[in-house]
Amino acid sequence: AQTVTQSQPEMSVQEAETVTLSCTYDTSENNYYLFWYKQPPSRQMILVIRQEAYKQQNATENRFSVNFQKAAKSFSLKISDSQLGDTAMYFCAFQEAGNNRKLIWGLGTSLAVNP
Amino acid sequence: NAGVTQTPKFQVLKTGQSMTLQCAQDMNHNSMYWYRQDPGMGLRLIYYSASEGTTDKGEVPNGYNVSRLNKREFSLRLESAAPSQTSVYFCASSEWWGFFPYGYTFGSGTRLTVV
Repeated sequence: AQTVTQSQPEMSVQEAETVTLSCTYDTSENNYYLFWYKQPPSRQMILVIRQEAYKQQNATENRFSVNFQKAAKSFSLKISDSQLGDTAMYFCAFQEAGNNRKLIWGLGTSLAVNP
Repeated sequence: NAGVTQTPKFQVLKTGQSMTLQCAQDMNHNSMYWYRQDPGMGLRLIYYSASEGTTDKGEVPNGYNVSRLNKREFSLRLESAAPSQTSVYFCASSEWWGFFPYGYTFGSGTRLTVV
């Protein structure tokens, strides 16, 4: 069965600095998708970034980028120029390719951005 | 605004009472989901509906029932609430382009307390 592991329950970073959140997953599949979701104190879940396993190029969305290492089954999220509004829980999630596959979630990393 | 609407946002129930959580999406998505979120346990899937007219159990279905009323609406019912069902509940929807998932869109959550 697929699993997703986020080994850092809590992290903190100073405003304007860069932070990297770790995620590893376990699967025997070759085609799949990986996601990072953000949950701020408002508790709204927001999709941050998405990566297709068949793409070697790492996904980037403004200040958010990923380091996708397929062989190592690692999918870390880098937040550059951290802002106070980045304070949130961050969840890594995995989904097999194929119709109607469900998301498998990590337990989350709580990130605090300090002024 | 397009998205997923959940009602109510907060609810307190007495043990043994029943209630229905409502969810509606206006993005024409085929798939809908109900999750519960508890501290330290991440997101756990209660039930999902891959398409209109179908529903399936997730990881933690006991004590819950669902109805996919139409393509837009997917409700979650607690027939006899128990304190163990105190949680934050999220509804989500998703769409696929062939075999490629776009990612989930979440509602803002319902904080349910059973006393």
